[in-house]
Amino acid sequence: DADVTQTPRNRITKTGKRIMLECSQTKGHDRMYWYRQDPGLGLRLIYYSFDVKDINKGEISDGYSVSRQAQAKFSLSLESAIPNQTALYFCATSDLRQTGELFFGEGSRLTVL
Amino acid sequence: SQQGEEDPQALSIQEGENATMNCSYKTSINNLQWYRQNSGRGLVHLILIRSNEREKHSGRLRVTLDTSKKSSSLLITASRAADTASYFCATHGSGNTGKLIFGQGTTLQVKP
Repeated sequence: DADVTQTPRNRITKTGKRIMLECSQTKGHDRMYWYRQDPGLGLRLIYYSFDVKDINKGEISDGYSVSRQAQAKFSLSLESAIPNQTALYFCATSDLRQTGELFFGEGSRLTVL
Repeated sequence: SQQGEEDPQALSIQEGENATMNCSYKTSINNLQWYRQNSGRGLVHLILIRSNEREKHSGRLRVTLDTSKKSSSLLITASRAADTASYFCATHGSGNTGKLIFGQGTTLQVKP
């Protein structure tokens, strides 16, 4: 089983719908992240969390919200999806005690029509 | 805005040749990391170089870091078709912010 699991892996939705992407990890890491990847733009940080009570905005948090339900779970929500949120979304984890190496999930491909 | 800028954006070489990718960044760093991404998959960590290091090796990978120029390079020697992927540099800023900021990536194609 993967250490960092994202669900769903693919989702097609319509403009205005609420979408939740979920991430769970078995690595026991404190830190969790959500990134968005667009062609030619690399990865951009949406939100990150250093523990259950700590949530921080990244570079592009507008239009997104997150919830850290437990150390192992970090979900990303789009309250009202719009077409320019079509992208590949990645969850990642890292260990506070180490150097910041990230461990990524396999990604969730979201298409907003 | 993104911290890292990578050059070239795309690189195509023959199997057996060396591939060099460059990364420039803007602010002081704690460390710089390189990741690999196979098409449509998650990123995988390759190698990390700390700000007080100048060169690091791991198998066929060689990474250099020049903090005075705020730049790094990744060299893959004796490339293989299986090295075909996108490669990203990512910087961990000084001050233990915990955030890793990625560059735009270099797409490498290794032709058999």
